[in-house]
Amino acid sequence: EPEVTQTPSHQVTQMGQEVILRCVPISNHLYFYWYRQILGQKVEFLVSFYNNEISEKSEIFDDQFSVERPDGSNFTLKIRSTKLEDSAMYFCASILRQGGNYGYTFGSGTRLTVV
Amino acid sequence: GQNIDQPTEMTATEGAIVQINCTYQTSGFNGLFWYQQHAGEAPTFLSYNVLDGLEEKGRFSSFLSRSKGYSYLLLKELQMKDSASYLCAVRDRTSGTYKYIFGTGTRLKVLA
Repeated sequence: EPEVTQTPSHQVTQMGQEVILRCVPISNHLYFYWYRQILGQKVEFLVSFYNNEISEKSEIFDDQFSVERPDGSNFTLKIRSTKLEDSAMYFCASILRQGGNYGYTFGSGTRLTVV
Repeated sequence: GQNIDQPTEMTATEGAIVQINCTYQTSGFNGLFWYQQHAGEAPTFLSYNVLDGLEEKGRFSSFLSRSKGYSYLLLKELQMKDSASYLCAVRDRTSGTYKYIFGTGTRLKVLA
C-alpha cells in the first residue's frame, strides 16, 4: 500500500536553530498538509498546500513557518528560529481528492525536540 | 466556533463491546472521520460518515447524527491490540478549503 514518508523520524535541535522537516507524499496525491501534535494534546492543523501554493494556514502557522514543494516529490516544512514550544510530533498528510470518503494518509511523523 | 468533545479515557475488557462518543460544533461540516492512533505513531483511518446513520466495517462501526452534532465509534469483540487512542475528526469547509479538526482523542485500554 502506498505510504507517506517522513524524514527524519526524530530531530533534536537547539533553540533558535532552523529545522527542515521532509515529507514525500503519495505520488498521485494532489493535496498536502502539515499537522502537529504536542505530547498529550490533540492533532492540530498547520497548513494545507495545493497546486504549489498554500491554500489555508492556521494561526499557529506564523512567519516562523514556511512550506515548499521544491520538486515533484518532496514537501517540506521549515521552522526558522525554533522555540521550546515547537517541540511536538509533526505529521505530513496527503490526499488524492478533497471531499467524498477520502481520508488522509498520514506519514509516521517527525518528533522534534527543541532544547 | 469549532469544538469537538470526546471522553479522555475509557477502559474495557477483551471480547467486550465499547462505544466512544463524540460531539461536535462546526460551521462548515463536511464529514466525520474516526482515526486510530497507537502511542508514538501516526493516526490511521478507520471510518467515515457524511450522512446520518450507521456505517459498519468489520468489528468497527460508526454512527452519525448531523442534527445532534453527534457521532460514536463502536468496537466489538475487543482485542488487546485495540488499546490505542481514537480520534474523532470533523472535515470542515468553513474557509472554502477542506481541513480536519481533531478532538483530543479517547485513550482506550483493553484489559485481559
